[in-house]
Amino acid sequence: QKEVEQNSGPLSVPEGAIASLNCTYSDRGSQSFFWYRQYSGKSPELIMFIYSNGDKEDGRFTAQLNKASQYVSLLIRDSQPSDSATYLCAVNRGGGFKTIFGAGTRLFVKA
Amino acid sequence: GAGVSQSPRYKVAKRGQDVALRCDPISGHVSLFWYQQALGQGPEFLTYFQNEAQLDKSGLPSDRFFAERPEGSVSTLKIQRTQQEDSAVYLCASSSSHPYGYTFGSGTRLTVV
Repeated sequence: QKEVEQNSGPLSVPEGAIASLNCTYSDRGSQSFFWYRQYSGKSPELIMFIYSNGDKEDGRFTAQLNKASQYVSLLIRDSQPSDSATYLCAVNRGGGFKTIFGAGTRLFVKA
Repeated sequence: GAGVSQSPRYKVAKRGQDVALRCDPISGHVSLFWYQQALGQGPEFLTYFQNEAQLDKSGLPSDRFFAERPEGSVSTLKIQRTQQEDSAVYLCASSSSHPYGYTFGSGTRLTVV
């Protein structure tokens, strides 16, 4: 079992729809949770982080964390073609520990 | 600097050749990380520095891989006797405060022929 699992996709949504990206992790000691966006041929870019159970909203993005279920999700509202990218889920045990990345979910937003 | 700078951007090495990849982190960032990303995969952890101390090198795939950060700023990842399986993008990231995520450099794409 991989430490961080994501559906590889591709996930295809029409422009203006909500895109829902999911991630599960195996280490119950994980404390910090991140979503990175990676455009083709580019390096990952941090878009959201969350530490506490519940929802965290930032513009069109909402991160959701459920530590009991070891589940993290990212919702993208009003999806735009420019949101088409690979979304990487990442988890960390806290300071002094490495961050573990999932393999990513490819998202396509159709105009 | 304004961002994490990596060089070279691309490197083609003949099998058996030694290579050195450079990372210049954001000024003041004490934490520096190296990751390896194969095509279609997520970044895989290689090693972690806090200032000049290498605190975790558990991800280095073999003793052909070596990383250093002697003065706590610029870091070099060295790969000796390169093999075809070393072909990947090598990403460097830095962080001022560990829980707040990383800033990645543009990466070095290494191709071993």
